[in-house]
Amino acid sequence: NAGVMQNPRHLVRRRGQEARLRCSPMKGHSHVYWYRQLPEEGLKFMVYLQKENIIDESGMPKERFSAEFPKEGPSILRIQQVVRGDSAAYFCASSRKGQGNTEAFFGQGTRLTVV
Amino acid sequence: GNSVTQMEGPVTLSEEAFLTINCTYTATGYPSLFWYVQYPGEGLQLLLKATKADDKGSNKGFEATYRKETTSFHLEKGSVQVSDSAVYFCALSDIGAAGNKLTFGGGTRVLVKP
Repeated sequence: NAGVMQNPRHLVRRRGQEARLRCSPMKGHSHVYWYRQLPEEGLKFMVYLQKENIIDESGMPKERFSAEFPKEGPSILRIQQVVRGDSAAYFCASSRKGQGNTEAFFGQGTRLTVV
Repeated sequence: GNSVTQMEGPVTLSEEAFLTINCTYTATGYPSLFWYVQYPGEGLQLLLKATKADDKGSNKGFEATYRKETTSFHLEKGSVQVSDSAVYFCALSDIGAAGNKLTFGGGTRVLVKP
């Protein structure tokens, strides 16, 4: 049973370009979470999705960021018109259930560098 | 809102030393508490968890006890190894929100020297 798969592992974008980060949850998991880790900081929640629905996007910046989790295929975190401050590690996690004591499994992250 | 505070690092230890990483939290209700470990260049791995007061989570020689009275979940290991060098994150689940949304502390980097 493969773990949470994120790709690419490393992504370099010039300012103003778009970044697309992909996350395939573990088999049987329909709950996906995205977190951002700035250098030397902890992870900050961005968005929670459950197949085709955004449940909680309270941590998402209001502009340029969007997320989706289609019926088929991976979850996508999209950042439009990237700026230097978007440089960070973006982690995806998935869980089988939506309860607060259910273990969330994390991917290895995508490290975005904006130059 | 919810928050997690953990001791700042880096923490540098010699092999076989005793490790403690302090973690305190602020939350409404009774959250579940977690310790995650992040090895260099890797994602987070769940180390241990506790879901109610006085529960003790343990794994790989690490232990942490859910102390409701002091709102703490300190991580301990009696004898560390070089392979324990990593960043450790304390986290809580926000039971007031939908799903298993986690609030993390800032992380504590631990370096174990031979």
